[in-house]
Amino acid sequence: AQTVTQSQPEMSVQEAETVTLSCTYDTSESDYYLFWYKQPPSRQMILVIRQEAYKQQNATENRFSVNFQKAAKSFSLKISDSQLGDAAMYFCALMEYGNKLVFGAGTILRVKS
Amino acid sequence: GAVVSQHPSRVICKSGTSVKIECRSLDFQATTMFWYRQFPKQSLMLMATSNEGSKATYEQGVEKDKFLINHASLTLSTLTVTSAHPEDSSFYICSARDLGTGNNYGYTFGSGTRLTVV
Repeated sequence: AQTVTQSQPEMSVQEAETVTLSCTYDTSESDYYLFWYKQPPSRQMILVIRQEAYKQQNATENRFSVNFQKAAKSFSLKISDSQLGDAAMYFCALMEYGNKLVFGAGTILRVKS
Repeated sequence: GAVVSQHPSRVICKSGTSVKIECRSLDFQATTMFWYRQFPKQSLMLMATSNEGSKATYEQGVEKDKFLINHASLTLSTLTVTSAHPEDSSFYICSARDLGTGNNYGYTFGSGTRLTVV
């Protein structure tokens, strides 16, 4: 069974600084997708970044990048130049091909001004 | 981009009554939609997978007679909470996959429904 573990219930970062959110997962498949979703206080789920497991290159979306370590089954999210609007709950999620999403427990990110 | 509309955003109902939540894909067809439940500061728990034209697939521990799912068209899935009780109070979120535009591994989420049973 696929599982996703986020070991940091809460993280804090100073505005303009960099923060890394951790995620590990377990799957028996070789082909799958990984996602980071952001859930602000509005509770709307917003896709931050996604990574295909067959791609070795780490995905990047503006200030957001991932460190994908397939052998270690690790998928961390780095947020650079943190902004107040980045404050939210962040969920790591795994999807095996054609299957449903499995979410981690989430990490609350607080941004200090 | 793909948009999923969920309605209502908030609903208060009396204990013992039923309430229906709608999830619509506005600019794409969704053969599969998903229903989640989320408690405060917790993760999303998948309740069921809604398949157009067929019965929904429920996750273990989810009462299918209490949480009725209907996916009658390619753009609409509904979740009906029957004989609601205060313990059913929660935040319900739907999502759908847009397979038509190349975003074939992405999920789009509705804005959620906060259900309060009094």
